[in-house]
Amino acid sequence: KAGVTQTPRYLIKTRGQQVTLSCSPISGHRSVSWYQQTPGQGLQFLFEYFSETQRNKGNFPGRFSGRQFSNSRSEMNVSTLELGDSALYLCASSPLTGTGNYGYTFGSGTRLTVV
Amino acid sequence: KQEVTQIPAALSVPEGENLVLNCSFTDSAIYNLQWFRQDPGKGLTSLLLIQSSQREQTSGRLNASLDKSSGRSTLYIAASQPGDSATYLCAVRPAAGNKLTFGGGTRVLVKP
Repeated sequence: KAGVTQTPRYLIKTRGQQVTLSCSPISGHRSVSWYQQTPGQGLQFLFEYFSETQRNKGNFPGRFSGRQFSNSRSEMNVSTLELGDSALYLCASSPLTGTGNYGYTFGSGTRLTVV
Repeated sequence: KQEVTQIPAALSVPEGENLVLNCSFTDSAIYNLQWFRQDPGKGLTSLLLIQSSQREQTSGRLNASLDKSSGRSTLYIAASQPGDSATYLCAVRPAAGNKLTFGGGTRVLVKP
């Protein structure tokens, strides 16, 4: 069974540009979460989507947004990029249906570099 | 607010030695705790998931224990190998909500 697929693997963008990252969860998984990983802050929660609805949001500025489609695929968008947005962005999926003791499966991540 | 700490931040052991990795959390109202492995520049690979009602979970050379009341989990890796060199992260899922809170990780080097 295919894992969590994130595209692209690497991105280089210029300050002020915007970027869209994509995540395809494991087939049948309806919950998709996004995390940002930096050397200084570690892994920080961005947001979680379930059945096309954002259920949780982390403490990030409004430049960070996301959405989930009816097939559970998710995208996150970062507008007006800043140098500090350079990070590894990780997507995780889970078969969560509101309750149940499920773990998360992570993708390989998208390495974003802002220059 | 949940806080997760992993000490030490880095660990170096000779091949064959057993590894003991620690994870502590401040809020015992958790749903489960998950241990991950991360190789440089890569994503996270799930190693073990312990439910809040469990005391331990085992998979091959890996064993994870959970003491929810004291806010601690320990990952044991028996007979370490150079291929075990990686960063190990623990993450807790709260009793309410689905946001994982991660520790800072322990970077492990197993020397041949």
